[in-house]
Amino acid sequence: DTAVSQTPKYLVTQMGNDKSIKCEQNLGHDTMYWYKQDSKKFLKIMFSYNNKELIINETVPNRFSPKSPDKAHLNLHINSLELGDSAVYFCASSHFGPSEAFFGQGTRLTVV
Amino acid sequence: KQEVTQIPAALSVPEGENLVLNCSFTDSAIYNLQWFRQDPGKGLTSLLLIQSSQREQTSGRLNASLDKSSGRSTLYIAASQPGDSATYLCAVRPGSGGGADGLTFGKGTHLIIQP
Repeated sequence: DTAVSQTPKYLVTQMGNDKSIKCEQNLGHDTMYWYKQDSKKFLKIMFSYNNKELIINETVPNRFSPKSPDKAHLNLHINSLELGDSAVYFCASSHFGPSEAFFGQGTRLTVV
Repeated sequence: KQEVTQIPAALSVPEGENLVLNCSFTDSAIYNLQWFRQDPGKGLTSLLLIQSSQREQTSGRLNASLDKSSGRSTLYIAASQPGDSATYLCAVRPGSGGGADGLTFGKGTHLIIQP
């Protein structure tokens, strides 16, 4: 029943590892996003996808690679994790254009 | 570059009071403005969406206004309750780009309602 769901909710991993976060939405939206919330709770857009195509990449290191297998899914793969990648990552979705955005519950990534 | 500022950063009031949270943005070319609440360790819950052509939106005890020309929005909470305690986030969707632009967020107002 959840509109935007992310897995896992918590992720603890060592530096240098590769990890993925999955996101799915059942709202019929055609646009999906990844946001990062840093330790100061500031939310910032990372990527946006429309109809499985990358629209925005906000100067994110290329260790971050989003993948959209279909319009309902947008996964985030992170290579060679660094301590500074520790944050809460939020997935969101909306219709294309000036529509309401809905967010997932977030994935708290801790790199040790 | 769009910047969103929220004032105050934190607010603590007794239960039952009416209160106003402020949001300002530097670029008036927006599609819409959205207010969210975030509870500790939780995701974002959408409260109200105001399109650029609208002046206000209401949902229950919440009323949000938008003055696009001056780059300001307010969130009015009537008869506050302890359950309203959360961080309130203001976000704008830029209107100068395409329809898949992400939201630009303020840093939030941390609200505590004292029982």
